[in-house]
Amino acid sequence: EVQVVETGGGLIQPGGSLRLSCLASGFPVSSVYMNWVRLAPGRGLEWVSVIEKDDTTYYADSVRGRFTLSRDNSKNTVYFQMNNLRAEDTAVYYCARGVSGFSRGSRFDLWGQGTLVTVSS
Amino acid sequence: QSVLTQPPSASGTPGQRVTISCSGSSSNIGSNPVNWYQHLPGTAPKLFIFSDNQRPSGVPDRFSASKSGTSASLAISGLQSEDEADYYCAAWDDTSYVVFGGGTKVTVL
Repeated sequence: EVQVVETGGGLIQPGGSLRLSCLASGFPVSSVYMNWVRLAPGRGLEWVSVIEKDDTTYYADSVRGRFTLSRDNSKNTVYFQMNNLRAEDTAVYYCARGVSGFSRGSRFDLWGQGTLVTVSS
Repeated sequence: QSVLTQPPSASGTPGQRVTISCSGSSSNIGSNPVNWYQHLPGTAPKLFIFSDNQRPSGVPDRFSASKSGTSASLAISGLQSEDEADYYCAAWDDTSYVVFGGGTKVTVL
């Protein structure tokens, strides 16, 4: 079955760190660009980060310098290291497969069910 | 707060036509394709419309979309109870990569 499954969410104090994982099945993560999109309470979806096929990464301004995206092709998994977490990072984090290149035609055709990250003291 | 602007809610009775708007600017909708996602809370979001008006396989043809200038819209003709969900528009932005709307909650009365 073609799917992505996110794990690693939880409750963390402000300033803490967390690593999310996105395990893909049915396709190689090395052949696509993989994204993280988050949904905060009372807000809309927010694109957060992408890792392209050549390992180039891009980040939203809100997380640049604090979050790092990486990929382990041997485990078919994408990792999202989140450091210096803030209350406003509280959200459900979704892993999403991208198609049509990370450019003007970019769209996400496969999403996971998400993992909840709660940043609170 | 979202770059693209959507009404927070829309509703209709079964069989009615419901339209959701999405307003942006020249750096996103005005120059790039629009996609729409359907999201039932607690589940994985689903790509519902891509490239302004294309339906992926499996999306009912009662769903249609269009774009004009810096605005886009999603229409549901013949509203059904299973259409209750949150709908998000999205587009590439020339300065911010991918941007989304705040989402519209569709309720079937």
